[in-house]
Amino acid sequence: GESVGLHLPTLSVQEGDNSIINCAYSNSASDYFIWYKQESGKGPQFIIDIRSNMDKRQGQRVTVLLNKTVKHLSLQIAATQPGDSAVYFCAETAASGGYNKLIFGAGTRLAVHP
Amino acid sequence: DAGVTQSPTHLIKTRGQQVTLRCSPKSGHDTVSWYQQALGQGPQFIFQYYEEEERQRGNFPDRFSGHQFPNYSSELNVNALLLGDSALYLCASSTTGGKEETQYFGPGTRLLVL
Repeated sequence: GESVGLHLPTLSVQEGDNSIINCAYSNSASDYFIWYKQESGKGPQFIIDIRSNMDKRQGQRVTVLLNKTVKHLSLQIAATQPGDSAVYFCAETAASGGYNKLIFGAGTRLAVHP
Repeated sequence: DAGVTQSPTHLIKTRGQQVTLRCSPKSGHDTVSWYQQALGQGPQFIFQYYEEEERQRGNFPDRFSGHQFPNYSSELNVNALLLGDSALYLCASSTTGGKEETQYFGPGTRLLVL
């Protein structure tokens, strides 16, 4: 399949380590944030989301942290596995009323080495 | 329960031609959004359809148009194709006013304009 994110910043980690991917968002009015994972040749896959009334949310092996003061979002992946290798995008939206166009960040490539 | 599906998977056109891409939303979803993803970049919002009407549009020219059918499926049409229209076109579905405003993406249609 085609490569996604040929010139994106890359985070290289060893299998089993924890990964932290950071994202700065742009709109102070955004109230809903989503992390997507995109593998080569595929569409973005939902990982985890968080609303602006929260500052932390945990899923299975993933945690999202939201700092509204500095408009910063992070995705933490515990015990990173080779299958986690992909490009990760954060997305923001003002979700009220359903007019919820997503604004995507630039993306980060995660490379997991055995 | 089928997820979001798109057709065709790949398409090659020449400059000046017209193209139609198709999307079927996830079961239970009534809202369809279209995004363009250039190589190495995050998806860019084109427009969103709900109740068979375009209700939100990104910064794309009128050459980009769409349609939503009573069964919630959608088409994206691009006229007078330019080389710069070469990209991965993604469809995402969600619900409006319902429990699932999160947008779930299909696999995309890779368009190459020669």
